[in-house]
Amino acid sequence: DGGITQSPKYLFRKEGQNVTLSCEQNLNHDAMYWYRQDPGQGLRLIYYSQIVNDFQKGDIAEGYSVSREKKESFPLTVTSAQKNPTAFYLCASSIVDGELFFGEGSRLTVL
Amino acid sequence: ILNVEQSPQSLHVQEGDSTNFTCSFPSSNFYALHWYRWETAKSPEALFVMTLNGDEKKKGRISATLNTKEGYSYLYIKGSQPEDSATYLCAFDSNYQLIWGAGTKLIIKP
Repeated sequence: DGGITQSPKYLFRKEGQNVTLSCEQNLNHDAMYWYRQDPGQGLRLIYYSQIVNDFQKGDIAEGYSVSREKKESFPLTVTSAQKNPTAFYLCASSIVDGELFFGEGSRLTVL
Repeated sequence: ILNVEQSPQSLHVQEGDSTNFTCSFPSSNFYALHWYRWETAKSPEALFVMTLNGDEKKKGRISATLNTKEGYSYLYIKGSQPEDSATYLCAFDSNYQLIWGAGTKLIIKP
């Protein structure tokens, strides 16, 4: 079935460690996005990419990095520079100007 | 700063009753308004993408209206069923970015 796969679902990180969240899509969508969700808040955009080998910062990009080497893949690295990384992370993809298709999310907890 | 407000924050509804909730958004720079349903432990799924003032869209027992001049959209659920329990998200699309509301959590009581 076509869709978006995020892994892992749960991830624990020690302070000072970088961690990478995986996002893969087989929908042939050009655009991919990473969002962060915190309790009581709307989704906030971390990074997005509209084409392979190109990506743009969203509203809260500090402490995060991404790559888009393949159309299907858009991994997110949460670096040690991110001061409050404990959150729920959602990956999404879309055609340009279309509805978003989401993964099931990854919950990151800093120990 | 662009802001999207959803109300109420949460809602308990008896099975079989109808309900509605609101998404308020900026009335300028409007491109589209998105509604998504997010069930627990699943992915958010698109319900509607609305672009025209006065537009009304329907999917089964769920419908939505749009007023871009005053900056609000209503989502209606007719004859609520247990499977309607979810968080409903709206997002204001300025064609530059999506601004998301915090959602309305709907709980259907049997």
